[in-house]
Amino acid sequence: DTAVSQTPKYLVTQMGNDKSIKCEQNLGHDTMYWYKQDSKKFLKIMFSYNNKELIINETVPNRFSPKSPDKAHLNLHINSLELGDSAVYFCASSRGTSGGIKTQYFGPGTRLLVL
Amino acid sequence: AQTVTQSQPEMSVQEAETVTLSCTYDTSESNYYLFWYKQPPSRQMILVIRQEAYKQQNATENRFSVNFQKAAKSFSLKISDSQLGDTAMYFCAFMKHVGGGSQGNLIFGKGTKLSVKP
Repeated sequence: DTAVSQTPKYLVTQMGNDKSIKCEQNLGHDTMYWYKQDSKKFLKIMFSYNNKELIINETVPNRFSPKSPDKAHLNLHINSLELGDSAVYFCASSRGTSGGIKTQYFGPGTRLLVL
Repeated sequence: AQTVTQSQPEMSVQEAETVTLSCTYDTSESNYYLFWYKQPPSRQMILVIRQEAYKQQNATENRFSVNFQKAAKSFSLKISDSQLGDTAMYFCAFMKHVGGGSQGNLIFGKGTKLSVKP
């Protein structure tokens, strides 16, 4: 049983296109995240979201927008793709209720290549 | 702002031997969590071990253990009896404690590429 899943695993597209990456978790968690891993393997938070608030990393361009249809899903929409958006995008989730360590569990990643 | 530093970009170890990966961090927070994640060539991010800062006892998970030195802001990972399957990128990560239902984000180091040689 996959805990955090992402689709697609690979995405090749042209500059200027709009694309979406889907993320689903079946862990019953109520906080989800998107991270970007660049070509040098550096991982950086893009968004965190629960049913109360969306927290956006200020370095993320507004072409990127997370959308959550329900607590188990957090999709990433990217408008007007640029070459620099090429990266691996990871979705993660954790429980958000108080108490205890809130370990984040990651999806398998989506490799995005913008041509 | 918090930062995480992994000073060893690459390391190698012979199978069955022990290796230690270094991690230091900078924070003014008193309550936080530390993690090591492993990323094998499959790209999957896998939790290796985690530590609450308020716990003095070092965390252990089978062949993996940490040396947590809070005053020195150091959180090294020791892998005993290294196996070929341990070959991966290892990322140290920091998360500050946020009260109530809020959640802190993971701040990652740049990673250490570990190769286990037969």
